[in-house]
Amino acid sequence: EDQVTQSPEALRLQEGESSSLNCSYTVSGLRGLFWYRQDPGKGPEFLFTLYSAGEEKEKERLKATLTKKESFLHITAPKPEDSATYLCAVQAVNNNDMRFGAGTRLTVKP
Amino acid sequence: DTAVSQTPKYLVTQMGNDKSIKCEQNLGHDTMYWYKQDSKKFLKIMFSYNNKELIINETVPNRFSPKSPDKAHLNLHINSLELGDSAVYFCASSHTTGVGGKLFFGSGTQLSVL
Repeated sequence: EDQVTQSPEALRLQEGESSSLNCSYTVSGLRGLFWYRQDPGKGPEFLFTLYSAGEEKEKERLKATLTKKESFLHITAPKPEDSATYLCAVQAVNNNDMRFGAGTRLTVKP
Repeated sequence: DTAVSQTPKYLVTQMGNDKSIKCEQNLGHDTMYWYKQDSKKFLKIMFSYNNKELIINETVPNRFSPKSPDKAHLNLHINSLELGDSAVYFCASSHTTGVGGKLFFGSGTQLSVL
């Protein structure tokens, strides 16, 4: 069965303190791995799709990377507005469904 | 203009009642979804419709019935509500089934069953 595990569950950073979020996955043939951002009281907002090991995507202070077993979301010099829950999801080649992890709740203090 | 809108935002009701949540998307997408987010924040798919046809129907109680009158709307009707149905329900849409994974989510409906 496809599984997605995110760590840490919660992460508190000072503004400017770079760090990484981890998403470990088990899937029978990866179609894609996805990162979403979710703010309190809102629906998840799409950030990135990664399709194959070695691929990287960047957007402002965020960079997502992918290996055959895990993905990292690197946050460089975060700002308080980066505070949110970051969700990882995987989609298998034989499945239309996306399986989500429980998320990492990021808090960036000024 | 809200891309995916769902109503109501909050729904508080008694056990045993029947309720509906409505969802509409103005993105021209052909696939729509219902997800449930429980208290531990796990998002789990419930249903998926492509051009008004049901394509994903996860193991959910048959008290939950989706209805898609057209490809821009996917409503969720819940019969005989139970305490365990309390959660946040998200509607989402995407351009093409299973491609790209770029889902556009509504802002959620927080259902509380008392």
